Amino acid sequence: ETGVTQTPRHLVMGMTNKKSLKCEQHLGHNAMYWYKQSAKKPLELMFVYSLEERVENNSVPSRFSPECPNSSHLFLHLHTLQPEDSALYLCASSQDWDSYEQYFGPGTRLTVT
Amino acid sequence: GQSLEQPSEVTAVEGAIVQINCTYQTSGFYGLSWYQQHDGGAPTFLSYNALDGLEETGRFSSFLSRSDSYGYLLLQELQMKDSASYFCAVRDVSGGGADGLTFGKGTHLIIQP
Repeated sequence: ETGVTQTPRHLVMGMTNKKSLKCEQHLGHNAMYWYKQSAKKPLELMFVYSLEERVENNSVPSRFSPECPNSSHLFLHLHTLQPEDSALYLCASSQDWDSYEQYFGPGTRLTVT
Repeated sequence: GQSLEQPSEVTAVEGAIVQINCTYQTSGFYGLSWYQQHDGGAPTFLSYNALDGLEETGRFSSFLSRSDSYGYLLLQELQMKDSASYFCAVRDVSGGGADGLTFGKGTHLIIQP
């Protein structure tokens, strides 16, 4: 595997479910990010991790809970989501938190029913 | 806060040249990036300008004028595979200094034969 991978690629969940999105980067990078991409809206930064420490939480509701157990893995735990949370969730990584080039994974297409 | 403006859609002819403009308002500026995203795909990095002037990478060039808070992406010798969405982005400098990217809404480039 190379680059940034995400699983699952597609996820349908009910509002009472709990699920997790997984991201893995094989680039030796030190920073990882979660973004949300909704139709007709720009990509929105959700969380930033640098060396496994969360350095930014961009006013994201608590029903989204990130976890970064090591510099290669990033999770987004989901619980009691709302239909408006349906979107493409993209993970990205960069060499360091101040690097200008970010590498994106293919995303998880989430549908909340 | 940060905000970026770019046209929502641009149409051009195969083999021609097209320019996609981006204006931004930021509280702190570190540079302007451009990303390409094909339908169903992940954003991929194209270019970065930290200083005024033109950066050329093959058929793609990017320009920045910091005094005008303005930049553009120039695509030459357009090919059908260039049909995609193009996003400009600036680093989002929070009070803690950690950076994600703030993206524009994207410009959908349509290439006609």
